Amino acid sequence: DAGVIQSPRHEVTEMGQEVTLRCKPISGHDYLFWYRQTMMRGLELLIYFNNNVPIDDSGMPEDRFSAKMPNASFSTLKIQPSEPRDSAVYFCASSPSPWAEILLGVNTEAFFGQGTRLTVV
Amino acid sequence: ELKVEQNPLFLSMQEGKNYTIYCNYSTTSDRLYWYRQDPGKSLESLFVLLSNGAVKQEGRLMASLDTKARLSTLHITAAVHDLSATYFCAVSNYGGSQGNLIFGKGTKLSVKP
Repeated sequence: DAGVIQSPRHEVTEMGQEVTLRCKPISGHDYLFWYRQTMMRGLELLIYFNNNVPIDDSGMPEDRFSAKMPNASFSTLKIQPSEPRDSAVYFCASSPSPWAEILLGVNTEAFFGQGTRLTVV
Repeated sequence: ELKVEQNPLFLSMQEGKNYTIYCNYSTTSDRLYWYRQDPGKSLESLFVLLSNGAVKQEGRLMASLDTKARLSTLHITAAVHDLSATYFCAVSNYGGSQGNLIFGKGTKLSVKP
């Protein structure tokens, strides 16, 4: 597997524009996480999905942020409208279910994509 | 609410000496992870610790877990420059009501000759 794939790698946009970040998790992983990383706040969990269903979105900073997972192989994080304070690196990660530990002997570690560096000017 | 605290946040190390990073978490957890991040790069998994007393070693790094104290340590033996990076611990609770994965603030290690 090619790992978790995120696109784009870099995005520069003007304040007020809509931004969509994309993620393809590792095939067979049941969990998908979206994180935001900044110098000031570190690595923040925004939202996570289990079997395509959003489980906890309490980390989403405000209504301008939304995330979807229409199928097991694709997720999006959308910011509309974007603001300069949204500038950060956004990571997507996926992990197997704990059942995979029992049934397949794999670890439930999360594998991270390369991230999208977002700059809002 | 699951919280994770690391200390120190910054660590300047001398080559050849030993150091320890500490990771405390606030509530019962299934699993504890250690990750490494190089500047401008993604996060790379180092260790997964599943049970009380678990100890894992890879090269100069050794991680241990005490679930009763809710404490994990990452011990560095005879530091070398290649270990300079930021190290994160993370805790999950898949078996509980929250299957989330929460990270500490990270410890930035710098190894000086």
